[in-house]
Amino acid sequence: GAGVSQSPSNKVTEKGKDVELRCDPISGHTALYWYRQSLGQGLEFLIYFQGNSAPDKSGLPSDRFSAERTGGSVSTLTIQRTQQEDSAVYLCASSLEVGDEKLFFGSGTQLSVL
Amino acid sequence: SQKIEQNSEALNIQEGKTATLTCNYTNYSPAYLQWYRQDPGRGPVFLLLIRENEKEKRKERLKVTFDTTLKQSLFHITASQPADSATYLCALDHSGGGADGLTFGKGTHLIIQP
Repeated sequence: GAGVSQSPSNKVTEKGKDVELRCDPISGHTALYWYRQSLGQGLEFLIYFQGNSAPDKSGLPSDRFSAERTGGSVSTLTIQRTQQEDSAVYLCASSLEVGDEKLFFGSGTQLSVL
Repeated sequence: SQKIEQNSEALNIQEGKTATLTCNYTNYSPAYLQWYRQDPGRGPVFLLLIRENEKEKRKERLKVTFDTTLKQSLFHITASQPADSATYLCALDHSGGGADGLTFGKGTHLIIQP
């Protein structure tokens, strides 16, 4: 597509429920990144993919968070047993390849855990 | 520990004047530094990149300087316009180009008053 697409744009869920956030990167971009932005905070790096592979998952906040990417394109970030502290904007970005410095961001998913 | 500091207070500038935003960092040796613009409800948009061996970079009304001795970057918008009002983020690479090496500051909210 023309830009990075994220869905849903807004998600309200109850504490303890699982949520899935989707990212569709720019066509041809092999690198994909997930960040989290809490109110008044900077962007917190979560995980990146080169193709379908995520070499380092240490940025994920807890084992309730997981991410996958299939076909070198769409990525899903899953949060299990959501907690109120998970409430934030989850941003996805893509770049031509890892090490290509310029990131293209989607508009994010605003997650609210009640 | 590594730290990126941007002025957390909103910066109010009169239309037509030059706006100058500051990004200071400690305990980094970045290969490059980037500036992004973020509007409410949107993801960051890449503006400029400056490398460690560059002192200054310009793009239209934008100018970025990078002083690796002072560990500081200045971001200037000349002939500022109300449409320039947004949050501006600086981001540092500290891993020699690795995907997980892009760390963002919290951003400075710029308001251009007519």
